[in-house]
Amino acid sequence: DADVTQTPRNRITKTGKRIMLECSQTKGHDRMYWYRQDPGLGLRLIYYSFDVKDINKGEISDGYSVSRQAQAKFSLSLESAIPNQTALYFCATSDRSFNQPQHFGDGTRLSIL
Amino acid sequence: DQQVKQNSPSLSVQEGRISILNCDYTNSMFDYFLWYKKYPAEGPTFLISISSIKDKNEDGRFTVFLNKSAKHLSLHIVPSQPGDSAVYFCATNDMRFGAGTRLTVKP
Repeated sequence: DADVTQTPRNRITKTGKRIMLECSQTKGHDRMYWYRQDPGLGLRLIYYSFDVKDINKGEISDGYSVSRQAQAKFSLSLESAIPNQTALYFCATSDRSFNQPQHFGDGTRLSIL
Repeated sequence: DQQVKQNSPSLSVQEGRISILNCDYTNSMFDYFLWYKKYPAEGPTFLISISSIKDKNEDGRFTVFLNKSAKHLSLHIVPSQPGDSAVYFCATNDMRFGAGTRLTVKP
C-alpha cells in the first residue's frame, strides 16, 4: 500500500464547482504539503502544515483552502473552480527533523472545463 | 519570480555516458538542496541532497556538486542507464522547486 495516498487520481469538473482533493498518509509524519505542477513551472507550493494546528499559505494559495483533519489527513479544496486551476496536484509529507526530504503521493490530475 | 531555475527542459544521452543536469538559484540564504526524480503517473521521489557546508555529495552513480559562489548545483549520473529516464527536479529545503529537466537515456 502507498504511504501517501491521494484521492481521486483523476477528476473532470465544471467551472464554479466546489472540489475537494484528499490526502492521507501512513508514514507518521507531522508535516504535510500541497503542490500543483504545471508544464514549464515545476511544482509550486499551495499550502503546508507542520502539525495539526498549523496551517500556512504557500506561494500560490489564492483560490484554495485546506483542512488538516488529523495528523494523517490533509485535504485541499477549490471553493469555486476555474479553468486555470487545471493542473496536476501533489500531496507530500515529511518528518519534522531538520532538512528531511518530502514523500509524495502519485498525484491527482484535475481538469476544469 | 522563480528562485530555483532549471534552464534545460530536456536532455538526451547515450546509455553508459554521463548525464549532467543543472540548477541555478538566486537566494544565497538557501542552505540545503535536494534532487527528486519523477516517472510518469507517479509522484516525485527523493534522490540525493547536499548541504551548503559541502561542495559534493555522492551516492552510487549519483553525485551532486554545489558551487555557492555561482549559486549553481549540478547532478551527475554516471554511467547513465535507460531506467534513469525521468524528469529531475532540484529543490530547496524551503519547498521551492525548479521546473524540471526531462532526461532520456537511449540504449
